[in-house]
Amino acid sequence: GAVVSQHPSWVICKSGTSVKIECRSLDFQATTMFWYRQFPKQSLMLMATSNEGSKATYEQGVEKDKFLINHASLTLSTLTVTSAHPEDSSFYICSARDARRGGSNQPQHFGDGTRLSIL
Amino acid sequence: GENVEQHPSTLSVQEGDSAVIKCTYSDSASNYFPWYKQELGKRPQLIIDIRSNVGEKKDQRIAVTLNKTAKHFSLHITETQPEDSAVYFCAASTGQAGTALIFGKGTTLSVSS
Repeated sequence: GAVVSQHPSWVICKSGTSVKIECRSLDFQATTMFWYRQFPKQSLMLMATSNEGSKATYEQGVEKDKFLINHASLTLSTLTVTSAHPEDSSFYICSARDARRGGSNQPQHFGDGTRLSIL
Repeated sequence: GENVEQHPSTLSVQEGDSAVIKCTYSDSASNYFPWYKQELGKRPQLIIDIRSNVGEKKDQRIAVTLNKTAKHFSLHITETQPEDSAVYFCAASTGQAGTALIFGKGTTLSVSS
């Protein structure tokens, strides 16, 4: 089945550090990938839609200059949290659909998530 | 944009009982409705999904029903077991390519033996 690999799984760093999270589709191509953030005991909130070869689309209230997204290939999207602060501590999860199957009514495949803790 | 409401937020049942979780959505263009189970600190796992051309779908102890007119869909778990305890999320998506899933707020299901 379709596999999405997300790395790293856990990051602890000091306030002011920038952190890069990678999301790879291992056995399929993904023209679009999605980034979600999940605070403890809350739902998955869509942050942005990452489009291969073009700019990401950010949801209202998400700072594009703080959460930099790059989708340089059909199998890799990265999310960089710039100058991270304690309030950015959260569980970040990426997901992707198989581009060959088309449409949005196909299953999204999720990565394992990255737990980010900013001290 | 799409808005998904989910109820109840917590649900406690005895082993062997049935559990029902309900969701409503706002965008009539939505046509894909998956349900996810998430255990603490792990990725959401797809347990069942339904598309708008179907009113009901069943997979062993799990079933989902969809009422497009009323814009609501429900998850039914029969013969619950302690291992069913987890957080369940419903989600919805429109037919536009590249559109993300929008999730409900989740239901914490506790099955006691």
